[in-house]
Amino acid sequence: EPEVTQTPSHQVTQMGQEVILRCVPISNHLYFYWYRQILGQKVEFLVSFYNNEISEKSEIFDDQFSVERPDGSNFTLKIRSTKLEDSAMYFCASNPTGDTEAFFGQGTRLTVV
Amino acid sequence: DQQVKQNSPSLSVQEGRISILNCDYTNSMFDYFLWYKKYPAEGPTFLISISSIKDKNEDGRFTVFLNKSAKHLSLHIVPSQPGDSAVYFCAAYDGSSNTGKLIFGQGTTLQVKP
Repeated sequence: EPEVTQTPSHQVTQMGQEVILRCVPISNHLYFYWYRQILGQKVEFLVSFYNNEISEKSEIFDDQFSVERPDGSNFTLKIRSTKLEDSAMYFCASNPTGDTEAFFGQGTRLTVV
Repeated sequence: DQQVKQNSPSLSVQEGRISILNCDYTNSMFDYFLWYKKYPAEGPTFLISISSIKDKNEDGRFTVFLNKSAKHLSLHIVPSQPGDSAVYFCAAYDGSSNTGKLIFGQGTTLQVKP
């Protein structure tokens, strides 16, 4: 069964460093997303991406964040200068049409120290 | 601004009994609702969904009920099994947005005791 894959599963980084979280969405899906879950809190939307551009972003997704689809398969989330409060589980998701269920990856746990 | 609320952080039921998980929403533009199940250290897994034009959708042991006038939905699991123990998230699509953004509730941790 096709699945969304994310790497790495766990990333530890020093405050102020740049991190890139990687995702391979399901191949025939057209809509891509990043969500995050801070420990003990709900899953929060960060950004949606369609047709090679951002279609919507949340207030959380400020200038420190960027997304890219550098080739036909990868979808990346970059955080330029990490802060302690960026520590969270980051989930990538994809959706074939944008109006049915989204499929989530297993997540990347980001720890900023 | 909690547009999707799951007011019960946890629920414990006996194996074989019914589990009922509840969810309330405030935004009348929400037109499609989903339930996701999440195990620790894994991503959310889609369970069942319902469109706002329906009031019930059933898939095996899982049934979702939607009461639009009350802005309330519930997930029924019958019979509950120990493997159902997980965090359950209610989520909604905003019909006014065409991006497929999901708004999640806080989650309910279900424990099914053998």
